Amino acid sequence: LAKTTQPISMDSYEGQEVNITCSHNNIATNDYITWYQQFPSQGPRFIIQGYKTKVTNEVASLFIPADRKSSTLSLPRVSLSDTAVYYCLVGEGTGFQKLVFGTGTRLLVSP
Amino acid sequence: EAQVTQNPRYLITVTGKKLTVTCSQNMNHEYMSWYRQDPGLGLRQIYYSMNVEVTDKGDVPEGYKVSRKEKRNFPLILESPSPNQTSLYFCASSLAGALNEQFFGPGTRLTVL
Repeated sequence: LAKTTQPISMDSYEGQEVNITCSHNNIATNDYITWYQQFPSQGPRFIIQGYKTKVTNEVASLFIPADRKSSTLSLPRVSLSDTAVYYCLVGEGTGFQKLVFGTGTRLLVSP
Repeated sequence: EAQVTQNPRYLITVTGKKLTVTCSQNMNHEYMSWYRQDPGLGLRQIYYSMNVEVTDKGDVPEGYKVSRKEKRNFPLILESPSPNQTSLYFCASSLAGALNEQFFGPGTRLTVL
């Protein structure tokens, strides 16, 4: 499993764009990059997943450079309700059963 | 409503008293998994199951058992709970594997005295 490194915490203000970068230097050819969001005392919630370049959904965008050794989760115009812990995970799409969440990035959005 | 349910949500017990935390999903998912979450350690996988009668160890299986006799249910069993198993437990399911979108239950907060 590729190890991931994320900042422990980030601060932002309402209305700003937030970019959380995840480093995964040992990512393998078949690995996908997945992000989850977790609010206190709740289970994580899937945000987005990608393999290369850019993926966008109604919640976020995921930018993956050509070497795939890092990825950036972009949250446009955050609100107070985006205060949560964000986890970056890397794993192979086929035959991959285990998941390692790590400690994530704690995002605090202030008024 | 598509969901993963866990019971109980809160449990206080004593060392050595066997307990079971139930997990059920109504999405016909093949993959189910149990995690524990502890401060400073993030989420760690205990056991997972790819399908009925197929289970395997995650990163922290010691002291836990699971079974998958039906597709929708994946109970977590603590035969002889100890205080170091005090934690917040989450059950999750996905369509076909760990990398498919996992849907998490609401969590079970367990305290072992």
